[in-house]
Amino acid sequence: AQSVTQPDIHITVSEGASLELRCNYSYGATPYLFWYVQSPGQGLQLLLKYFSGDTLVQGIKGFEAEFKRSQSSFNLRKPSVHWSDAAEYFCAADLSSGSARQLTFGSGTQLTVLP
Amino acid sequence: SQTIHQWPATLVQPVGSPLSLECTVEGTSNPNLYWYRQAAGRGLQLLFYSVGIGQISSEVPQNLSASRPQDRQFILSSKKLLLSDSGFYLCAWTNRGSNQPQHFGDGTRLSIL
Repeated sequence: AQSVTQPDIHITVSEGASLELRCNYSYGATPYLFWYVQSPGQGLQLLLKYFSGDTLVQGIKGFEAEFKRSQSSFNLRKPSVHWSDAAEYFCAADLSSGSARQLTFGSGTQLTVLP
Repeated sequence: SQTIHQWPATLVQPVGSPLSLECTVEGTSNPNLYWYRQAAGRGLQLLFYSVGIGQISSEVPQNLSASRPQDRQFILSSKKLLLSDSGFYLCAWTNRGSNQPQHFGDGTRLSIL
């Protein structure tokens, strides 16, 4: 079945440390891929997207993600985490066809940042 | 620029009461519109999507319905709320095309008593 998996429910890092959030997808072709961030009580904000081309994509807030076809992964990274990065992060994939584009979301990774 | 508005931001309703959540998009035309529900500690579940006025597709059987009376207006409704309808409801829009990201509103926190 087509799906998006975020294996880590909760990750804790110290401020200034590097971060990698994992995302894997299950799909017969290469989907369009997205990372979103959600602060408590807020909607989702788009961090970055991958459609094609360069497999390393840059996003807002210093985030980047690398698409690896061989591993069906699209992991999110940040070299140095700031306290304001504490939030929930969702990976999503467009696994749909036709005019009604639909996103399939992972279950999210909650990021805690220690001072 | 495009903006999306959801209201109310929070809502407390008794079981059995009706519901109407509204979502409007500005700065674009003919968008695809979506309603999601996010239960506590869980991911997003797509409830409805719409590709045009009066065109609604439902993803899961449930106690809710959706309508799109105008191009940039999407309404989520219920005639009688259940306890299980509690959650965080998010509206989203996207431009037509196969490589467009979805953009989300700030959500409505619905609590059923």
